[in-house]
Amino acid sequence: GIQVEQSPPDLILQEGANSTLRCNFSDSVNNLQWFHQNPWGQLINLFYIPSGTKQNGRLSATTVATERYSLLYISSSQTTDSGVYFCAVKGSWVTSGSRLTFGEGTQLTVNP
Amino acid sequence: KAGVTQTPRYLIKTRGQQVTLSCSPISGHRSVSWYQQTPGQGLQFLFEYFSETQRNKGNFPGRFSGRQFSNSRSEMNVSTLELGDSALYLCASSFRPGLTGYEQYFGPGTRLTVT
Repeated sequence: GIQVEQSPPDLILQEGANSTLRCNFSDSVNNLQWFHQNPWGQLINLFYIPSGTKQNGRLSATTVATERYSLLYISSSQTTDSGVYFCAVKGSWVTSGSRLTFGEGTQLTVNP
Repeated sequence: KAGVTQTPRYLIKTRGQQVTLSCSPISGHRSVSWYQQTPGQGLQFLFEYFSETQRNKGNFPGRFSGRQFSNSRSEMNVSTLELGDSALYLCASSFRPGLTGYEQYFGPGTRLTVT
């Protein structure tokens, strides 16, 4: 099946810093989502971005499907940005239906 | 519009018992998927239901089963619980399956502890 790799696995920042999280995937994808998992375990939707660039406040994301990667940018980080960020992709309908395949996540810690 | 709801939020069971978890999707969403999250295996797909039919299944033993009702609500059942079944179980809803898929929205999860 499709493989998803996220980097870095861990990231520690000072409040106000910027960061870039990367997601590489091994095959063509039909859609891609970025999530933030809060301390209580819920996955919060950040972006639904099978291709192109989107922005939402201090967060933006870019997916280059032809080169099989996506980037999540966090600017002017805040302590509330701490948590785990997941990239999840949906591969071919024939082989995977609607299932999302998740990366291992990036653990982000923002210190005051 | 209300989000995905899951009940119960926390559960403690003993090895050998069975458990049933419930998920109500976002109103108008007809596809429900279940995922298991553990520290060792990460987030893994269990199964997907649409129109009361299982459309896709992950690589889990037959002790894991599910169903979907006509109102799109879904339940998953785990029989003969093992210690390794301790996990966060997440339910996701989307409008429907599709070639390119639709955005999936997750519930708060049920944290199951097996002792």
